[in-house]
Amino acid sequence: GEDVEQSLFLSVREGDSSVINCTYTDSSSTYLYWYKQEPGAGLQLLTYIFSNMDMKQDQRLTVLLNKKDKHLSLRIADTQTGDSAIYFCAERRDYKLSFGAGTTVTVRA
Amino acid sequence: KAGVTQTPRYLIKTRGQQVTLSCSPISGHRSVSWYQQTPGQGLQFLFEYFSETQRNKGNFPGRFSGRQFSNSRSEMNVSTLELGDSALYLCASSPIDRERYEQYFGPGTRLTVT
Repeated sequence: GEDVEQSLFLSVREGDSSVINCTYTDSSSTYLYWYKQEPGAGLQLLTYIFSNMDMKQDQRLTVLLNKKDKHLSLRIADTQTGDSAIYFCAERRDYKLSFGAGTTVTVRA
Repeated sequence: KAGVTQTPRYLIKTRGQQVTLSCSPISGHRSVSWYQQTPGQGLQFLFEYFSETQRNKGNFPGRFSGRQFSNSRSEMNVSTLELGDSALYLCASSPIDRERYEQYFGPGTRLTVT
């Protein structure tokens, strides 16, 4: 999954917005995903976007896609302590997902 | 609706042994995928099954194998275990009408090889 790249760490104050960035490489039409993983747990599907879209909003989550730059971002509004986790960006190729290394988000009071 | 279930949740094995992990997809889902998660390599795709047929396979040695049953439940087997096989093994299932874009993961099986 090394074709999908993410920054490794993000620290954010409670109540602020978090922005997690990701770059992918597949230039064909594809689905792009954000998953959340809490300690000791599996992956929770947060949201996904098709590559012909620019933006998708789902409650506190906003996904922005810049197809030209192959850049995907996840914005979490009003970040809470429960948002502390590892966030994975992934792209779908054939029947599999290729993941980034994950961004560890730490929410501080 | 119950989520993806994986058994066992934790497993300790010795080098050279073999292990079988089980995955029960969400009811009605027919596609099941397996991933390996390690601190060094991250999340890597193992294989994907649909209607008992393997449709895609990742870059893992032949010691890793899997199968899917007619009720969509899936198993993966690792033979001749090596220390490097220690990992969290995650199973995911997809709904038949949205299999192209939704995958739901189970809690994983934590395998430790000593």
